[in-house]
Amino acid sequence: DAGVTQSPTHLIKTRGQQVTLRCSPKSGHDTVSWYQQALGQGPQFIFQYYEEEERQRGNFPDRFSGHQFPNYSSELNVNALLLGDSALYLCASSPSGNYGYNEQFFGPGTRLTVL
Amino acid sequence: AQSVAQPEDQVNVAEGNPLTVKCTYSVSGNPYLFWYVQYPNRGLQFLLKYITGDNLVKGSYGFEAEFNKSQTSFHLKKPSALVSDSALYFCAVRDARSGNTPLVFGKGTRLSVIA
Repeated sequence: DAGVTQSPTHLIKTRGQQVTLRCSPKSGHDTVSWYQQALGQGPQFIFQYYEEEERQRGNFPDRFSGHQFPNYSSELNVNALLLGDSALYLCASSPSGNYGYNEQFFGPGTRLTVL
Repeated sequence: AQSVAQPEDQVNVAEGNPLTVKCTYSVSGNPYLFWYVQYPNRGLQFLLKYITGDNLVKGSYGFEAEFNKSQTSFHLKKPSALVSDSALYFCAVRDARSGNTPLVFGKGTRLSVIA
């Protein structure tokens, strides 16, 4: 059983550019969450997708947007990149049902560097 | 609002000695609590969780954690540390009333096990 997969592994962009990160959830999971982990910090919640809709959103600007596809995979898009967007972007999936006791399963992350 | 505090940025322990990584939390209702481990350039791996019931929770790789409601703590422990346990450890919390909401993470504690 493949766990959560993310692509690409690493990405280098320049300020002002746009980037798309991709995530495939663990088999049987239909809820996908995205987190940003800056160096030396814990993961910060960006948004969560369920049934192709953004269900919850953290304190991130509109430059951060996403999408979920019918197969539950998801994309994170960031426009007008800033130096401060450099971070590890983590995708996490969880099974269906609005149950808080379910742990999230994380992918290996995409390391984004903005120059 | 929910929050997690990990008061130690770094914990050093000799191989074979017991280890403790501290975590305190704040939620309005009852907590669901989680521990994750992160190895260099990797995503987060789930170790264990507390939902309800026995205050001592056993998890992967010989780790356990003790839930203490009066002290609002959920410290991670292991009786005998291994060099391979060296990694970054994150505590996370979710309000049990809030369903499948995002996890709120602490800043992390770097564990270094010295041979």
